[in-house]
Amino acid sequence: EAGVTQFPSHSVIEKGQTVTLRCDPISGHDNLYWYRRVMGKEIKFLLHFVKESKQDESGMPNNRFLAERTGGTYSTLKVQPAELEDSGVYFCASSPLQGAYSPLHFGNGTRLTVT
Amino acid sequence: GDSVTQMEGPVTLSEEAFLTINCTYTATGYPSLFWYVQYPGEGLQLLLKATKADDKGSNKGFEATYRKETTSFHLEKGSVQVSDSAVYFCALDYGGSQGNLIFGKGTKLSVKP
Repeated sequence: EAGVTQFPSHSVIEKGQTVTLRCDPISGHDNLYWYRRVMGKEIKFLLHFVKESKQDESGMPNNRFLAERTGGTYSTLKVQPAELEDSGVYFCASSPLQGAYSPLHFGNGTRLTVT
Repeated sequence: GDSVTQMEGPVTLSEEAFLTINCTYTATGYPSLFWYVQYPGEGLQLLLKATKADDKGSNKGFEATYRKETTSFHLEKGSVQVSDSAVYFCALDYGGSQGNLIFGKGTKLSVKP
């Protein structure tokens, strides 16, 4: 089966610009998560979708970040306007089950550099 | 709040050496504990997990035991290989929400032939 796919793999933008990251989860996985790793720091949870609904968005840093998952398939994470501190690696993960622990399947990440 | 602390890297070892990567946690409840691994150019993969005190997780020759008394989950392997070179992340499952993981900063391991 195809894994979790993230696009683009790298993005370099200027401060103030907009960037949209995309995540395609494994087919059939209802749970979709976004995480972020800022340089030298921990990987931090951003939010969790169950199908198209936001289950938990407690980790979203501020209102410059907007995540969507229309139709419950792929998800996008938009940063508008981007700031220097948004630089880092953004990971997406998916899993098939709710209720019993199922390991997360992670994508390779999108490395975002804001200059 | 809940947190995970793991030893700073990078760690450089020779092939067949013994590996220990320390991980301790702070949690208000009874979390599940995990080790994830990220090989170069790839996403994170679950390496092993333990869901309750005294459980031992194991996979690919790696082991970690959930020690509630010391709030630790140290990763060990008796004989590392060059192919084990990767970044290792210790994590806990926050409040049983299944997916809202709290990670440590990661430890980069390099194994030399």
